[in-house]
Amino acid sequence: AQTVTQSQPEMSVQEAETVTLSCTYDTSESDYYLFWYKQPPSRQMILVIRQEAYKQQNATENRFSVNFQKAAKSFSLKISDSQLGDAAMYFCAYRSTYSGAGSYQLTFGKGTKLSVIP
Amino acid sequence: GAVVSQHPSWVICKSGTSVKIECRSLDFQATTMFWYRQFPKQSLMLMATSNEGSKATYEQGVEKDKFLINHASLTLSTLTVTSAHPEDSSFYICSAHSTRSSYEQYFGPGTRLTVT
Repeated sequence: AQTVTQSQPEMSVQEAETVTLSCTYDTSESDYYLFWYKQPPSRQMILVIRQEAYKQQNATENRFSVNFQKAAKSFSLKISDSQLGDAAMYFCAYRSTYSGAGSYQLTFGKGTKLSVIP
Repeated sequence: GAVVSQHPSWVICKSGTSVKIECRSLDFQATTMFWYRQFPKQSLMLMATSNEGSKATYEQGVEKDKFLINHASLTLSTLTVTSAHPEDSSFYICSAHSTRSSYEQYFGPGTRLTVT
């Protein structure tokens, strides 16, 4: 079974600075998807960024980028120019590309609570 | 973008009663929907996977008779908490896998259940 580990329960960053959230995972599969989700106080889950394992290029979405190290099974999220609205819980998630029974399931890490200091 | 709604957003019920939570995909078809439970300051815990027209698959430790899941159409799944007790109080979130996407799940806004 796959596992996702987020070793930082809480992080803080000054507004306009850069912060990196860590995520490691364990899998025996060679192809899979990785995601970062944001859960603000409203508790609505919002997809921040995704990475397909077969793609070597790191995904980027505006101020959000990832450092995907497949051999190390590491998938960190970098938030640049942090804004007050970035304050939220961030969850790293894994999904197999398997399309049989039980497919499409997400395995979540425990989350990192990010605070943004004005 | 794809939208998933949940109803109600907040429900209070008395111990021993049953409560139904609806999850709808508003602008896409969802062959697979998921139900999660989230305790305060914790991650999402998958309760069950619901496939349209078939029985739900429950995760280990989730009581099938307490948490009844029905996925009667490609746009609607329901979670019924039967004979609710205070320990069932939690935040319940559904998500739907779109037939249009190979990777993305779309999440509902969640339902807060309080059992008194």
